[in-house]
Amino acid sequence: DIQMTQSPSTLSASVGDRVTITCRASQSISSLLAWYQHRPGKAPKLLIYKASSLESGVPSRFSGSGSGTEFTLTISSLQPDDFATYYCQHYNTYSRTFGQGTKVEIK
Amino acid sequence: EVQLVESGGGLIQPGGSLRLSCAVSGFTVSSNDMSWVRQAPGRGLEWVSVIYSGGSAFYSDSVKGRFTISRVNSQNTLYLQMNSLRAEDTAVYYCARDWTYYDSGFDPWGQGTLVTVSS
Repeated sequence: DIQMTQSPSTLSASVGDRVTITCRASQSISSLLAWYQHRPGKAPKLLIYKASSLESGVPSRFSGSGSGTEFTLTISSLQPDDFATYYCQHYNTYSRTFGQGTKVEIK
Repeated sequence: EVQLVESGGGLIQPGGSLRLSCAVSGFTVSSNDMSWVRQAPGRGLEWVSVIYSGGSAFYSDSVKGRFTISRVNSQNTLYLQMNSLRAEDTAVYYCARDWTYYDSGFDPWGQGTLVTVSS
């Protein structure tokens, strides 16, 4: 089974900061990767699909990059609504696998 | 308006059974791939199961043989039958439309229903 590992687990940042979260796959997954934002008590929200495609309605400060085994989610200028937990997700025909999550906290 | 509403959660003893429902409005369940995802207290998101529009279903290793995903077309509702429940199945369970076949992700999601397995 393919494992997805995110780093860091927790990130402290301030409004306006540039933030980068990394997701590594245990083997090559091409670009079969999505990113989600999850706030407490809310439904998760799709941000990025196919590694770098921005979901409709998602602010352009969010971007994704990478292919193969290493991927990044970047928030160019952190906003108050962005303090949340972020997950990467790999998908194939038989399963979907989430990373363990990265919590973005207020510094 | 597209909406997914989960129900059926609650407190259940270990070894018991529970059936979760996901009532969908705004699109046809049987024409779409649908997944269940859970989040245990203090833990991350964990994918549970998918049912494809064609009817094929797949499960995570942690629930295989105990959980069954299904749908009732006339009710436009997705289900998750959970048997032989364990303490580690305690979680908020979400349903979501699964676009991964089209190289996208899960969107939209329901608000979740809490399942607590405890004696």
